[in-house]
Amino acid sequence: KAGVTQTPRYLIKTRGQQVTLSCSPISGHRSVSWYQQTPGQGLQFLFEYFSETQRNKGNFPGRFSGRQFSNSRSEMNVSTLELGDSALYLCASSLAWGAGELFFGEGSRLTVL
Amino acid sequence: DAKTTQPTSMDCAEGRAANLPCNHSTISGNEYVYWYRQIHSQGPQYIIHGLKNNETNEMASLIITEDRKSSTLILPHATLRDTAVYYCMLNNNAGNMLTFGGGTRLMVKP
Repeated sequence: KAGVTQTPRYLIKTRGQQVTLSCSPISGHRSVSWYQQTPGQGLQFLFEYFSETQRNKGNFPGRFSGRQFSNSRSEMNVSTLELGDSALYLCASSLAWGAGELFFGEGSRLTVL
Repeated sequence: DAKTTQPTSMDCAEGRAANLPCNHSTISGNEYVYWYRQIHSQGPQYIIHGLKNNETNEMASLIITEDRKSSTLILPHATLRDTAVYYCMLNNNAGNMLTFGGGTRLMVKP
């Protein structure tokens, strides 16, 4: 079956703009979590959703937000982009909340100029 | 505050077993040990997890010490495609909030 699909794969934005990233989980998976990966900070947890509800949130400013739809697809939004937001944004899905075994997508690489 | 510590890098000869250690001396009774790996420019890939018993699957074996303060991931016959960063982490399965540390960069050499 199809894996986790993230769109777009690559995008370039300028400071102050906003961006929306999309994630389609594996069919049947109801939990989606988001991670940010940068060379300096490594992989950091952003937030996770299950049944359209945010279950956990990482230590990121309010400019980072997300949501999950009834079909389990998820979006994350970053407003007022800063240079430091340049990163690989990874989405992962799992069968259930707390399942532990996550399936990651290939990521969306955001460059902020 | 890192809950796991791993060597920064390791080398392994192709065809030999790769043994990747992880220390987790402050592990709680309800925390599982998880291993993921990340091949360059791809998303992390789940490998294996365990609570206290040793585990084996088609990818690897996980050996957890009796006191659960450390574990070893074993790739029995490493190939060049196993070159990746390997992450050991703890999770109590009360969510999918994984805390990735620095990981071990494994280089498999011909």
